[in-house]
Amino acid sequence: DSGVTQTPKHLITATGQRVTLRCSPRSGDLSVYWYQQSLDQGLQFLIQYYNGEERAKGNILERFSAQQFPDLHSELNLSSLELGDSALYFCASNPGGNTIYFGEGSWLTVV
Amino acid sequence: GDSVTQMEGPVTLSEEAFLTINCTYTATGYPSLFWYVQYPGEGLQLLLKATKADDKGSNKGFEATYRKETTSFHLEKGSVQVSDSAVYFCAPPNFGNEKLTFGTGTRLTIIP
Repeated sequence: DSGVTQTPKHLITATGQRVTLRCSPRSGDLSVYWYQQSLDQGLQFLIQYYNGEERAKGNILERFSAQQFPDLHSELNLSSLELGDSALYFCASNPGGNTIYFGEGSWLTVV
Repeated sequence: GDSVTQMEGPVTLSEEAFLTINCTYTATGYPSLFWYVQYPGEGLQLLLKATKADDKGSNKGFEATYRKETTSFHLEKGSVQVSDSAVYFCAPPNFGNEKLTFGTGTRLTIIP
């Protein structure tokens, strides 16, 4: 158990819909990262937050957004969903050192 | 900037075979590298880290040694098991304020 909790574990939704994925980092970890993993694209970095502020942005679509709340949990919002958004979405947290801890991921299936 | 080039898979081996997964890393700073493993249905977890010349990281029978002449941190295991079947990623170190990037990942399948 990495200490990073993601919900929901599985989600099936229709095209055009909007979903929110939630991540609770390890206790005290200030950095939260979001990744998308699909079969054809591999592991893609989406965005990083540090203590509530956006720190780095990767290949995140405009239809996607994220935020980190004062209690350090984070949410990834995916809107106007397309079939190609079906993937495993990972959250990871970092205590400030150089080891990253990953959650078990949220499986999103868009039908 | 730093860049990571990882051997692409998939790799299929028989049980007890010798494993090498290549990862080449060009760093502007101190050379070190992390290897992560993703078992089926799970998230990534840290396998080991290797730092500087001649220092060997090791865990669960896996080793990674930095080779200065090729700037590589190849992951090796002398005798693989079916339970080693997973996807292996190499990644440069992250110090909390950088985007963390991974290699492309190498899918390893071990056949009994």
